[in-house]
Amino acid sequence: DTAVSQTPKYLVTQMGNDKSIKCEQNLGHDTMYWYKQDSKKFLKIMFSYNNKELIINETVPNRFSPKSPDKAHLNLHINSLELGDSAVYFCASSQVWDPSYEQYFGPGTRLTVT
Amino acid sequence: SQQGEEDPQALSIQEGENATMNCSYKTSINNLQWYRQNSGRGLVHLILIRSNEREKHSGRLRVTLDTSKKSSSLLITASRAADTASYFCATDERLAGTALIFGKGTTLSVSS
Repeated sequence: DTAVSQTPKYLVTQMGNDKSIKCEQNLGHDTMYWYKQDSKKFLKIMFSYNNKELIINETVPNRFSPKSPDKAHLNLHINSLELGDSAVYFCASSQVWDPSYEQYFGPGTRLTVT
Repeated sequence: SQQGEEDPQALSIQEGENATMNCSYKTSINNLQWYRQNSGRGLVHLILIRSNEREKHSGRLRVTLDTSKKSSSLLITASRAADTASYFCATDERLAGTALIFGKGTTLSVSS
């Protein structure tokens, strides 16, 4: 049983397109996150949701819009894709909204914008 | 957001040797975590050490924390080829609120 799953695993698209990445966790966790990992493996928090409410919204262009329909799902929609959006996007979850709890990561979605 | 710094950036060793990775951070923390990332995969939590702890063990892993130097080290003993991965430290540095701040990672390569 996959704890945190993401779809798709790979996404190749052209500049200007709109795309979505879906994330689901079956751990019963309250908190979910989106991270962006660049080509140098630098991992940066983008958003954090706790019980479907947005908690953290780092300095991310408003072309990125997260949506949490329920506690188990956190999707990421990206409008007007740019070359610089190419990266690996990871979804993660933790039991509660507390950085002292371990986070469980999905397998990642490799986004390539051409 | 501030971030931790791991060193070395890359480490190559032979199976059976020990691997030591270091992490430094900038402000006070409540705890520090280490994660492993295998190539093409998500991160996996390895161990958490709290600010009032100095050392923690988990199997072949040993983590130390020196809050006076704002640094931590991860020691993997008797390395195996399967330990080949990138290793990241993550802190809850207080300036960052409740987000985890990840370091840049150390890429470990263990050859048989």
